[in-house]
Amino acid sequence: DQQVKQNSPSLSVQEGRISILNCDYTNSMFDYFLWYKKYPAEGPTFLISISSIKDKNEDGRFTVFLNKSAKHLSLHIVPSQPGDSAVYFCAAPRGPTDKLIFGTGTRLQVFP
Amino acid sequence: KAGVTQTPRYLIKTRGQQVTLSCSPISGHRSVSWYQQTPGQGLQFLFEYFSETQRNKGNFPGRFSGRQFSNSRSEMNVSTLELGDSALYLCASSVTGGGAYNEQFFGPGTRLTVL
Repeated sequence: DQQVKQNSPSLSVQEGRISILNCDYTNSMFDYFLWYKKYPAEGPTFLISISSIKDKNEDGRFTVFLNKSAKHLSLHIVPSQPGDSAVYFCAAPRGPTDKLIFGTGTRLQVFP
Repeated sequence: KAGVTQTPRYLIKTRGQQVTLSCSPISGHRSVSWYQQTPGQGLQFLFEYFSETQRNKGNFPGRFSGRQFSNSRSEMNVSTLELGDSALYLCASSVTGGGAYNEQFFGPGTRLTVL
């Protein structure tokens, strides 16, 4: 049962444009969401998070939006840069001390 | 501060063999989680150890086991390897564990290939 879903396995965006990565979840008990970024041959690194009490969290070029009624979150990268090319995972914990459940990832390619 | 280290980085085994992977967390971190990454499956949680005790467990067969030592270093063992066990195995450490509110720091992973 895939409780966190990323339905787009890949995304290609031109440098300077906006990248929008989507994530859907099925468990309405999730109250915290995270995005991780992974380069080849490296482990994932934390990028940005959002609590369910908010509908938006911004950190520089990265903004995460949460739509609880639709059980949907999205990561916006503006402007996109070639260095943003990586695999992006959304994740949610089942509880404060429980495991992270990851989506299958979206490979973003930013071309010049 | 040194990051999470995993050894070995690459490993090739044959079916039926067993393998042990090692993870050294960031100094001061007491929680170590293990994940399996395969194409199309994302990161699948294996288990978490905190203060030498397994605190959470994913849906993997008993061939997958782990342990944590008093210095928080952790090992993961896979017995009777199958072709489908070929994957990137990642460990992540955090101060107190759990997925929320405590950032997990990942190691670079061990790439296991089963022939």
